[in-house]
Amino acid sequence: DIVLTQSPGTLSLSPGDRATLSCRASQSVSSTYLAWYQAKPGQSPRLLIYGASSRATGTPDRFSGGGSGTDFTLTISRLEPEDFAVYFCQQCGGPPMTFGQGTKLEIK
Amino acid sequence: LQLQESGARLVQSSQTLSLTCAVSGGSITSGGYSWNWIRQPPGQGLEWIGKIDYSGTTDYSPSLEGHVTILADRSRNQVSLRLTSVTAADTAMYYCARGTVSYFYALDVWGQGTTVTVSS
Repeated sequence: DIVLTQSPGTLSLSPGDRATLSCRASQSVSSTYLAWYQAKPGQSPRLLIYGASSRATGTPDRFSGGGSGTDFTLTISRLEPEDFAVYFCQQCGGPPMTFGQGTKLEIK
Repeated sequence: LQLQESGARLVQSSQTLSLTCAVSGGSITSGGYSWNWIRQPPGQGLEWIGKIDYSGTTDYSPSLEGHVTILADRSRNQVSLRLTSVTAADTAMYYCARGTVSYFYALDVWGQGTTVTVSS
């Protein structure tokens, strides 16, 4: 199975800051099959990015994804209060699909 | 499109966990979609359990293979999950979610989830 390791585990920033989240794969992942999700307490995860860099319908353009091979990033250009949540990367090229363990983005 | 999970919320250890995902606003037999089960144990990350696609083909997580079955009921437009011989480690929030070929099978629609507790 492809193991996805996200860093940092927790990221403490302020509204207006830029956030950069990392997702590293244990083996090369096709960019086509790398996705990012946002999860808030009491809510289901929400797809933000697919194909490593394409925004899903409704994803604000302050969210951007990039990377290739084994290293991928999710960047939030200017944090809004509603962006503080947990973010998961996923490789969906499997099976099996696998998820990273998540990065918690918290207000500093 | 909406997904709604339902099923027993308390399951005895060594018994079978059974959940249903009712799909409304779309057909589970529409081409280009897969229907996935994912779970999240308390305080932990997301774990993919398996999927069934529009043609009825299934794939399962190797860690659960032999204990998991995903079926599609076309007449009721719903997908079911059965997990046998459960233990406390199977206590989790269980989600069903749609994978979409236009998103390279990323999961674009999720149910609200249902909490299942395995008790001894």
